[in-house]
Amino acid sequence: EVQLQESGPGLVKPSQSLSLTCSVTGYSITSNYWGWIRKFPGNKMEWMGYISYSGSTSYNPSLKSRISITRDTSKNQFFLQLNSVTTEDTATYYCARYRTSGYGAWGQGVMVTVSS
Amino acid sequence: DIQVTQSPSSLLASLGERVTITCQTSQSISNNLNWYQQKPGQAPMLLIYYATSLQTGMPSRFSGQYSGRSFTLTITSLEPEDIANYFCLQHYSAPHTFGAGTKLELK
Repeated sequence: EVQLQESGPGLVKPSQSLSLTCSVTGYSITSNYWGWIRKFPGNKMEWMGYISYSGSTSYNPSLKSRISITRDTSKNQFFLQLNSVTTEDTATYYCARYRTSGYGAWGQGVMVTVSS
Repeated sequence: DIQVTQSPSSLLASLGERVTITCQTSQSISNNLNWYQQKPGQAPMLLIYYATSLQTGMPSRFSGQYSGRSFTLTITSLEPEDIANYFCLQHYSAPHTFGAGTKLELK
């Protein structure tokens, strides 16, 4: 059974970079797609992007200049980096597996607050 | 971007009641829509994929239908454990986009 677990700092200062790790067990990240999704206070959700089984990426154009998704296949992990954060990036961040049927497996989420 | 309009934003229902939640997309997405249930502090749980297919392990009281750009999630008889937030997601084209969510509460 695939399991995903997000990790990273819960507090980031404005203008700094947010870096999160998604550790995947029970399934290789060299198959399917692996995405990042966030949920803002007030429950609005936003798809941030994903990295494919081959390492190619697709990003939400609203974030394109600030986001990077990378991976380490030897550790079966993928990563989110979001640069130049503001308080508007305060959210719960989820990693999830994407297949043609959609996002069927999600991590528990990590809450990140942007504040000085 | 494909816009997804979900209604209602909140819903009061009684146990045993039939509940219906709708998502309307701004463009045709075929059947590339999922429904999720999320409880506070938990990960979203996939209920329905490809608009009408029940995820393995989910109760059969949940069902999905669609016609054109209109998608419906139905709970045939509300159970206490169904009290949660529900949202839809279109994954026909990137950026994938979400409905705003429906908060389902007990009357």
